Amino acid sequence: DTEVTQTPKHLVMGMTNKKSLKCEQHMGHRAMYWYKQKAKKPPELMFVYSYEKLSINESVPSRFSPECPNSSLLNLHLHALQPEDSALYLCASSQGTASQETQYFGPGTRLLVL
Amino acid sequence: GENVEQHPSTLSVQEGDSAVIKCTYSDSASNYFPWYKQELGKRPQLIIDIRSNVGEKKDQRIAVTLNKTAKHFSLHITETQPEDSAVYFCAASYGDNYGQNFVFGPGTRLSVLP
Repeated sequence: DTEVTQTPKHLVMGMTNKKSLKCEQHMGHRAMYWYKQKAKKPPELMFVYSYEKLSINESVPSRFSPECPNSSLLNLHLHALQPEDSALYLCASSQGTASQETQYFGPGTRLLVL
Repeated sequence: GENVEQHPSTLSVQEGDSAVIKCTYSDSASNYFPWYKQELGKRPQLIIDIRSNVGEKKDQRIAVTLNKTAKHFSLHITETQPEDSAVYFCAASYGDNYGQNFVFGPGTRLSVLP
């Protein structure tokens, strides 16, 4: 299996809702990433998990809470989001965190906050 | 931190012509330079990458060149086809024990006219 999967594909939520995005890979990769991509913009790194531990948090607001239950799964818990948080949320994984590792992206979850 | 610039922002070519996209980066610690193609509504797909110990790499109609001294790298697509139409992102990356820091360029929208 050489694919990163993400669920759901689309999500609409209100500002008071709590929801979670899920990401899964079965390539044995030990690094997983969350990116946010606004329309017509490049992906922006949010979080990096290395060997199931949060290693990089790019100053993301606390209404986004990542979780890595095991080496194959990565969640992003959402609470009290704002309309400006509407975006495509991409998960990626790589073999490790050393230099020159290729990252493979999932299909993304398109989030709309009303 | 790393800053990646990318030019041009839009590029239109006739089918069969060549396309060249150029990127510059600021952090000399970056040592991995992937290129991603993203079609509308799809995930970024890796099309080619180059590591800092290599000056040029080719894969069929796609080639990438790297000049570490000048801190720039370029994507070359020959014999363009309509299915090459997409947004192309370059990225510069360095990694350590904490994670791999990918910084993307702003993207180039390539249109191949039949």
